[in-house]
Amino acid sequence: GQQVQQSPASLVLQEGENAELQCNFSTSLNSMQWFYQRPGGSLVSLFYNPSGTKHSGRLTSTTVIKERRSSLHISSSQTTDSGTYLCAFNTGNYKYVFGAGTRLKVIA
Amino acid sequence: GALVYQYPRRTICKSGTSMRMECQAVGFQATSVAWYRQSPQKTFELIALSTVNSAIKYEQNFTQEKFPISHPNLSFSSMTVLNAYLEDRGLYLCGAREGDNKNTLYFGAGTRLSVL
Repeated sequence: GQQVQQSPASLVLQEGENAELQCNFSTSLNSMQWFYQRPGGSLVSLFYNPSGTKHSGRLTSTTVIKERRSSLHISSSQTTDSGTYLCAFNTGNYKYVFGAGTRLKVIA
Repeated sequence: GALVYQYPRRTICKSGTSMRMECQAVGFQATSVAWYRQSPQKTFELIALSTVNSAIKYEQNFTQEKFPISHPNLSFSSMTVLNAYLEDRGLYLCGAREGDNKNTLYFGAGTRLSVL
């Protein structure tokens, strides 16, 4: 079936370090989103990024459609960045397929 | 901008009782609403898709008898977890879609259900 592979599964950073999170899709995608899930569980949409590169503050998302992958770069990480980062893709219908997430911990 | 609100944010119910959760779209017309569940240690699974004026489509392993959904207008949807047990614990997420040709779902923050 349709799958999303996220890597790494978990990551521990020293505050100030950068992080690169990867998302690989098993099929061609129509669109994808990156989400941040807070330690308490609520979900925040970070990027809707069907293709190309998008920036938001210290976050950069790059999606290469033909290679079926997307990356999320976090620069100058802060302890408040700790949580789970999820990617999900849409193959052209309403159905989003979610990855298992990357659990990030940033320590001071 | 388009926003989706879910409430309650957190709820606890006794085993065997039912819990209703709501999803409100603001700033756009939610022609379709998808409900997902994230069980502990798992990723999100699609429960069902509700489209105004159409039948609700449930995914395998999820039924209307267990998760009845109401989608009475273009800004509101609700889902009830009937007869909740431990395996129903998790984060319930709604994603709302605007129009027929858009592929973006705007997601709420989720309702976290605990079952005692």
